[in-house]
Amino acid sequence: DTAVSQTPKYLVTQMGNDKSIKCEQNLGHDTMYWYKQDSKKFLKIMFSYNNKELIINETVPNRFSPKSPDKAHLNLHINSLELGDSAVYFCASSQWRSLDEKLFFGSGTQLSVL
Amino acid sequence: SQQGEEDPQALSIQEGENATMNCSYKTSINNLQWYRQNSGRGLVHLILIRSNEREKHSGRLRVTLDTSKKSSSLLITASRAADTASYFCATSGSRLTFGEGTQLTVNP
Repeated sequence: DTAVSQTPKYLVTQMGNDKSIKCEQNLGHDTMYWYKQDSKKFLKIMFSYNNKELIINETVPNRFSPKSPDKAHLNLHINSLELGDSAVYFCASSQWRSLDEKLFFGSGTQLSVL
Repeated sequence: SQQGEEDPQALSIQEGENATMNCSYKTSINNLQWYRQNSGRGLVHLILIRSNEREKHSGRLRVTLDTSKKSSSLLITASRAADTASYFCATSGSRLTFGEGTQLTVNP
């Protein structure tokens, strides 16, 4: 059983399209995240939800909208895709503790905007 | 600005040698973590060291933390080809922040 699973693994689309990436975790964690990894492998947090409540919302264009229907799921919807959105997007989860926050990552969604 | 910075950016060694990667950070932390990322995969947690600890071991991994210098190092002993991956440090303050990683290549 995959602990954190995200779909699709690859996403190739045209500029201007709208797309969604889905994430699910079966670890019983209460916190989920979206990270963006660029071509230089720099990993930057985008959003975090704790018990379905948005707790981290970094400086991300409002074309990106996360949705958490329950604490096991966190989806990412992207409107009007741009070339610069091409990257690998990682979902992650953790159990919220102030000192011991280990993240469990999905295997990533490689988004290519043409 | 970016919290953690790894050094070197790339490291190539022979199987059986030790690999040392360094991480520097800028602000105070609760803990520091190291993750590994194999090509095309997500990050996997390796080890966590708290701010009041100086050294920690896990199998072939040894992590040190010097809060006065705001730096940490990850030592992999007796490296194997399977250790080839990118290694990231991540610092935990108000949120977990990752460095840019060290690409380790272990040649058989």
